[in-house]
Amino acid sequence: KAGVTQTPRYLIKTRGQQVTLSCSPISGHRSVSWYQQTPGQGLQFLFEYFSETQRNKGNFPGRFSGRQFSNSRSEMNVSTLELGDSALYLCASSGQSVAGYTFGSGTRLTVV
Amino acid sequence: GESVGLHLPTLSVQEGDNSIINCAYSNSASDYFIWYKQESGKGPQFIIDIRSNMDKRQGQRVTVLLNKTVKHLSLQIAATQPGDSAVYFCAELYSGGGADGLTFGKGTHLIIQP
Repeated sequence: KAGVTQTPRYLIKTRGQQVTLSCSPISGHRSVSWYQQTPGQGLQFLFEYFSETQRNKGNFPGRFSGRQFSNSRSEMNVSTLELGDSALYLCASSGQSVAGYTFGSGTRLTVV
Repeated sequence: GESVGLHLPTLSVQEGDNSIINCAYSNSASDYFIWYKQESGKGPQFIIDIRSNMDKRQGQRVTVLLNKTVKHLSLQIAATQPGDSAVYFCAELYSGGGADGLTFGKGTHLIIQP
């Protein structure tokens, strides 16, 4: 079956802009989580959605937000982009809990 | 906050040798641990997991050991192959704590020497 699909793969944005990233989970998976990966901070949890509701949230500013649609597809939005937001943004889906996480290949965001 | 850490940023081994990647975790309440492999340009790929009620689990060419006394986790890869070259992350979770996602270690870059 198809894996987790993230679009776009690469993105270049200017400081102050906003960006929306998309994640399509594995069919049947209802939990979608987002992570930010940087060389300095490693992989950090952003938030998790389950059945269109945010179930958990990491320690990121309010500029980072997300949502989940009825078909379990999820989007994350970053407003007022800063240079430090440059990172690989990873989405993972699972059936019920993190135990069955499958990651996508990520969206590489560069803020200039 | 509490975090999971790895002892070595880079590990170089000869092809065919066994590799051992270590991880120290600090949250004694964590009850689920996972090892991931990440190749360049890809997302983390699940290798093996272990729950806190176990101290050892084996997969295909991989073994995870959990020592709760010293809060230490290790991944053993037998007969290392060139395709094992990647960054390896350990991750922990306290499933009863609101599940703030997985907490990842910084990663160990495994380099396979021919």
